[in-house]
Amino acid sequence: SQQGEEDPQALSIQEGENATMNCSYKTSINNLQWYRQNSGRGLVHLILIRSNEREKHSGRLRVTLDTSKKSSSLLITASRAADTASYFCATATGGGNKLTFGTGTQLKVEL
Amino acid sequence: DAGVIQSPRHEVTEMGQEVTLRCKPISGHDYLFWYRQTMMRGLELLIYFNNNVPIDDSGMPEDRFSAKMPNASFSTLKIQPSEPRDSAVYFCASSSHGGQGGYEQYFGPGTRLTVT
Repeated sequence: SQQGEEDPQALSIQEGENATMNCSYKTSINNLQWYRQNSGRGLVHLILIRSNEREKHSGRLRVTLDTSKKSSSLLITASRAADTASYFCATATGGGNKLTFGTGTQLKVEL
Repeated sequence: DAGVIQSPRHEVTEMGQEVTLRCKPISGHDYLFWYRQTMMRGLELLIYFNNNVPIDDSGMPEDRFSAKMPNASFSTLKIQPSEPRDSAVYFCASSSHGGQGGYEQYFGPGTRLTVT
């Protein structure tokens, strides 16, 4: 079964609004990563947060990690049409190199 | 850097034929991963290599699938014989030395395989 499950499965917002996606996982992790996938393309790494970190920022992205609840959230602020894509969380266990991907959130940002 | 290179980008074949997918990782990366993505099962890790050695092939569906990495700059994923249920997008990804905590993976554009 999937280690990570994203919520919601689909999200539609207006340009300029914030988008929040959540990820829940089942086992202890080494780190958690978020990836973006545009339609018909490969995945692109966005941000990595380690198990001993609680929050991380990168540009318009903010990721939080709550290991006690086994959950993470990705916030995209001031969304743009170009942010339209699927977003996946991926958890790394053990040595940290093997990733298990979640089911993804499809984000649509409308003009 | 050209990124991870995969070929072919699209492959259409008939059931029973052999299919070979190819991947060139980013130079200097010592980990290589093969994934399969379908609507039903999402993104699944099939196998990964470290320094050309297979580390975990527990995701390989069955004996019809095999993967090799003869050198640091080339890997193949072979399906023989292919079946319609193998239709999917196959991604190759690479990353540098993981160490404690791991590192991000860089994905290729994928090979869309259709088996009729």
